[in-house]
Amino acid sequence: GQSLEQPSEVTAVEGAIVQINCTYQTSGFYGLSWYQQHDGGAPTFLSYNALDGLEETGRFSSFLSRSDSYGYLLLQELQMKDSASYFCAVRDQEGGGFKTIFGAGTRLFVKA
Amino acid sequence: DAGVTQSPTHLIKTRGQHVTLRCSPISGHKSVSWYQQVLGQGPQFIFQYYEKEERGRGNFPDRFSARQFPNYSSELNVNALLLGDSALYLCASSLELANYGYTFGSGTRLTVV
Repeated sequence: GQSLEQPSEVTAVEGAIVQINCTYQTSGFYGLSWYQQHDGGAPTFLSYNALDGLEETGRFSSFLSRSDSYGYLLLQELQMKDSASYFCAVRDQEGGGFKTIFGAGTRLFVKA
Repeated sequence: DAGVTQSPTHLIKTRGQHVTLRCSPISGHKSVSWYQQVLGQGPQFIFQYYEKEERGRGNFPDRFSARQFPNYSSELNVNALLLGDSALYLCASSLELANYGYTFGSGTRLTVV
């Protein structure tokens, strides 16, 4: 089976940097994704790591260490609009298909 | 371009009834996945379809079934509804099976009473 762990809540101030960690356990690891979801909205894709290292997309960066089964999402220059839930998701290959399994999510509160 | 569209947006059903939820992927996207999201939790994987074939199934009972049509749209069917089936049902599409970044629809909010 698959399991993911991430903190349930993180609070930070506007302009700061915040890191959301994710550890995972899976049998057919194919990659780690991050999604953002605002209240009442749909999840939106942020980033994907298949190989070890850091991927940067604007204010957001994502890191993966496959040997440690660990990744994180780094949000810089926090803005109020970044207040949302953030999900890490493992892409797992099983049989002839893929599953993307989501963590329970980290609720980020950005304060002024 | 239209995004992923789901219908209906909201639905109220009685225990024991059957429900059909519909999803139209982004034009050209061949893969559709279904997720169930209970308030405060992450989306739970139900099914993935690609080129009209089931390519992945999550840990949901046989009351849940789905299919994909030649135009790549998809239906999720749930039989013998239980109160615990109340959730947001999300559809996500991707261009190919191996693509990792999904585009989600806004979901169908199902309430079972």
